[in-house]
This record gives sequence, C-alpha cells and structure tokens, in this order.
Amino acid sequence: DVKVTQSSRYLVKRTGEKVFLECVQDMDHENMFWYRQDPGLGLRLIYFSYDVKMKEKGDIPEGYSVSREKKERFSLILESASTNQTSMYLCASSSRDIAIQPQHFGDGTRLSIL
Amino acid sequence: KQEVTQIPAALSVPEGENLVLNCSFTDSAIYNLQWFRQDPGKGLTSLLLIQSSQREQTSGRLNASLDKSSGRSTLYIAASQPGDSATYLCAVRRGTDKLIFGTGTRLQVFP
Repeated sequence: DVKVTQSSRYLVKRTGEKVFLECVQDMDHENMFWYRQDPGLGLRLIYFSYDVKMKEKGDIPEGYSVSREKKERFSLILESASTNQTSMYLCASSSRDIAIQPQHFGDGTRLSIL
Repeated sequence: KQEVTQIPAALSVPEGENLVLNCSFTDSAIYNLQWFRQDPGKGLTSLLLIQSSQREQTSGRLNASLDKSSGRSTLYIAASQPGDSATYLCAVRRGTDKLIFGTGTRLQVFP
C-alpha cells in the first residue's frame, strides 16, 4: 500500500514565523502535491512537483514556497506565517501515469497561526 | 474554468439503505474522475478511479459511474452501514496532474 506521511498532525505557530511542513512518500512516485482545505472552499492546490527540484504553482501559491531535494520528500514552506494561513494542509503523491493512477493522500496537518 | 458540484451537501439515512451520491462537472475534457472518502480530521482515502474512456468501476459495495457527455458521475453505495459515515469527495483530473475537487457530500448512516 502507498503510504504518504506528514510529519505533524497538529501544529501551532505564531504570525511572522517561518513554518515547514514535511511530507514523505514511500512508493517512488514522481508527482507530489500540497493542498489546503478550508470549510466551504474545499481543497485547493498550492504547489506541485513533477520531479526532484521541479515545482509548479497551483491555484493559490501566494505566501508559500516548496522544496523537493529528494524524490520521496516534498516540503511546504510558509515564509512568514499569517493568521489567514490557518488551515488543514494535505500532501498527496501519484505516479507519472496520470490517466490511470490515483492520487494518494496523507492524514493532513492542522495548522493554527496565532 | 472547470467547476465540480456535489449534491446533496449532506445526507442522513438509516442503515441498510442503498444510496446515490452525485457529482457534476462543467468541462468534459478530463483524464479521469476519482472518488474519495474523508473521515473527520483525517486525510483522503481513494475509493475509485474511473478513466475517461470507462463508464464505471466497482469495489465491494461501491459502484461509480461516469457520463462524460453530460458531465456527471454517481457513487452508488449498496446496503449502507454506520461505518460508511464520512464525507465523500469527487475530483476530476484535468491537464497535467491537477485535481479539481467538489465540496463534498457529508453522509451519516444511523443504526
């Protein structure tokens, strides 16, 4: 079974802090994704990556950056956390065959910015 | 712009009922459609994936259908159980790897 592991289930940080959310997958997937999920807005794509050192902006990249130095690890960085970044963050991965392979998700990190 | 809508937003049924969850999308140019389950405070679990060339997929008590021409998919759950209580999300895959999600149907199955 595919396993996508997010380093923290719950995280509390203060405004202005630099925040790192980590995600690791164990299936040698090429593609990795970061979403945020908010009530009434659903899941929205922040950034994704096709390969090591590759990144693409999603629909809401402002205030975020990402890093993919190794194939199995994809990090989301909040450069200077703000209260409107309080949310549930979900990481996902998939193989390159996008037509037939599903995205697999981690358990999420609930981030609160005070 | 692709939009995905799920109706109803919430559903409460007695155990044992067969039920149908609906998903509609505005742009038929999709690679596939995926159904997920989300338990409270948890991540998403992939249930079924239907490729654009397929009409349906089955897994146990779940059956998902896809009608691209009308922009619709349904998730059929047979003989519902309290353990099926969760939020069900559909998502369509467009372009490269992006999934566009609906806002979900919250299902409660009571004993």
